Amino acid sequence: DAGVIQSPRHEVTEMGQEVTLRCKPISGHDYLFWYRQTMMRGLELLIYFNNNVPIDDSGMPEDRFSAKMPNASFSTLKIQPSEPRDSAVYFCASSLRPREGNQPQHFGDGTRLSIL
Amino acid sequence: SQQGEEDPQALSIQEGENATMNCSYKTSINNLQWYRQNSGRGLVHLILIRSNEREKHSGRLRVTLDTSKKSSSLLITASRAADTASYFCATDLGDYKLSFGAGTTVTVRA
Repeated sequence: DAGVIQSPRHEVTEMGQEVTLRCKPISGHDYLFWYRQTMMRGLELLIYFNNNVPIDDSGMPEDRFSAKMPNASFSTLKIQPSEPRDSAVYFCASSLRPREGNQPQHFGDGTRLSIL
Repeated sequence: SQQGEEDPQALSIQEGENATMNCSYKTSINNLQWYRQNSGRGLVHLILIRSNEREKHSGRLRVTLDTSKKSSSLLITASRAADTASYFCATDLGDYKLSFGAGTTVTVRA
């Protein structure tokens, strides 16, 4: 089975540029999560979707960040304009519908983003 | 904000030894999960323990949960070099979200 697929794996861009990160969840998973990982703040949940609908975006740091899920097999996280402090590893994860509490989440290998 | 906090932050052991790490959390939970992260990779789910369970085993992993103390421990027995990774506890707050701790970095020396 293919796991969660993220692209690109690495992105280096200059401050002010638009950055788009992509995620393909595991087929059949109802939930999709975007996280950001930094040394200082650890792993932070940015936003999550249920059946393609954004449920909780309270972790999105600023209006410069936006996320979409146009269909069950694709999601994007966009940063516009990007700033050096956005440098981090961004992870996408997916899971089945929770029943008795949460199901395990399956993570992609992340996008390492560097904003110069 | 992070709900769980792992202890210790880092652990170095000899191959074959056991590794124990702890997780403390602040609020009531539905379940607690442990994940492993190898360098440069995503997190991998290891084990899930529900709030009404006290102990769970999976291969060389043993997890305990003490809801009265709001703490959990992960024991890796007979460690191998491949166990070198960071280990995170994650608490299920009941709203389909997980809150991850800062992690314990485990180094297994050959």
